[in-house]
Amino acid sequence: NAGVTQTPKFQVLKTGQSMTLQCAQDMNHEYMSWYRQDPGMGLRLIHYSVGAGITDQGEVPNGYNVSRSTTEDFPLRLLSAAPSQTSVYFCASSKFWTGGPYEQYFGPGTRLTVT
Amino acid sequence: AQTVTQSQPEMSVQEAETVTLSCTYDTSESDYYLFWYKQPPSRQMILVIRQEAYKQQNATENRFSVNFQKAAKSFSLKISDSQLGDAAMYFCAYRSGYSGGGADGLTFGKGTHLIIQP
Repeated sequence: NAGVTQTPKFQVLKTGQSMTLQCAQDMNHEYMSWYRQDPGMGLRLIHYSVGAGITDQGEVPNGYNVSRSTTEDFPLRLLSAAPSQTSVYFCASSKFWTGGPYEQYFGPGTRLTVT
Repeated sequence: AQTVTQSQPEMSVQEAETVTLSCTYDTSESDYYLFWYKQPPSRQMILVIRQEAYKQQNATENRFSVNFQKAAKSFSLKISDSQLGDAAMYFCAYRSGYSGGGADGLTFGKGTHLIIQP
């Protein structure tokens, strides 16, 4: 199993450009999520999905869109990039929460710089 | 909303010694889970250890153990026989134990940078 994969690993955007960060998992996990990590901060939740066709906002959703058309994929879209979105982005997946301490598996991250 | 606080931005320890990283959290829930994640320079997030709030026994994974004090809302990580490969950022994280709350993902602390002196 490849686990959780993310592409690209690095990306530089100009202010106002749009792009999609890709995330895929091959563990048949229902739950997928996106976090951002800024210097001196822990990871913060952007959006999450509990299954195909179901998404919801996390702590810091502004400026990002998500969709979940398949169990495997959960892309994150930046609509109009801003310098404040310079960060490292992590995708994670786990079994859907039904009462157990299911581990979240993280992808390798995407370092995004917006100039 | 839950909060997680790691009060030590950086810790340093001699190789083979023991070090304890602190974590406190604030929640009104009684059912939850706590985690320690390691993030080496490679950036990969690696689960170190987890603790269920309903279990009184402290979790242990080889050289890693926790001191879980539920009443004090404290969840410290002890690393015994520190090794050079333990050098990393360590994050404490909280997840709700309730079906809807668990979907809100993990709440992280700001991390502790652990330095291992050879």
